[in-house]
Amino acid sequence: GAVVSQHPSRVICKSGTSVKIECRSLDFQATTMFWYRQFPKQSLMLMATSNEGSKATYEQGVEKDKFLINHASLTLSTLTVTSAHPEDSSFYICSAGHRVGNIQYFGAGTRLSVL
Amino acid sequence: GENVEQHPSTLSVQEGDSAVIKCTYSDSASNYFPWYKQELGKRPQLIIDIRSNVGEKKDQRIAVTLNKTAKHFSLHITETQPEDSAVYFCAAMRTGGGADGLTFGKGTHLIIQP
Repeated sequence: GAVVSQHPSRVICKSGTSVKIECRSLDFQATTMFWYRQFPKQSLMLMATSNEGSKATYEQGVEKDKFLINHASLTLSTLTVTSAHPEDSSFYICSAGHRVGNIQYFGAGTRLSVL
Repeated sequence: GENVEQHPSTLSVQEGDSAVIKCTYSDSASNYFPWYKQELGKRPQLIIDIRSNVGEKKDQRIAVTLNKTAKHFSLHITETQPEDSAVYFCAAMRTGGGADGLTFGKGTHLIIQP
């Protein structure tokens, strides 16, 4: 149980394009999902908290107009990187908070490379 | 906001020996402290966690201790094996009343020498 699916696993795109990443909780409902970014050999940094049916909460320094988050259902949250630039290249990982104990289960991550 | 410090950044131990990784946190409201193991290019895997109402928790070769007064918690791995080699992250979070995201430490690269 407690499986989180994230797609795509890898994206290579041109500068200026938008990229959409999906995060799904497959066997449980998650009222809260989280988006993290991880640069090579660094830790995971929380970008935003995605709440079902309401606006996402962004961490300081994260541009909400650049990283659009939608949490349309209890099992799906999406992150759209708009007008991607090379500096946005990173490993993006989502997690879903299980209601029992608020344990977070992570997706497999999306490696974004912007050329 | 929360700040989590983790030490050491790299830890090399002989196979069969024990490994200890230490973390401190700043926010006294944090009440949930998980440890994740991450292999290169893969997702973090929860290996053990502890809540603020408990001082110690053990699961086979892995144990975690928590000192709320000093705001620090530690991961202990005994009888280390080659497959224990990975990056380990500690994290802290406040649960309840609207869950916050996890604040991670910078990670410890654990190397098990054969």
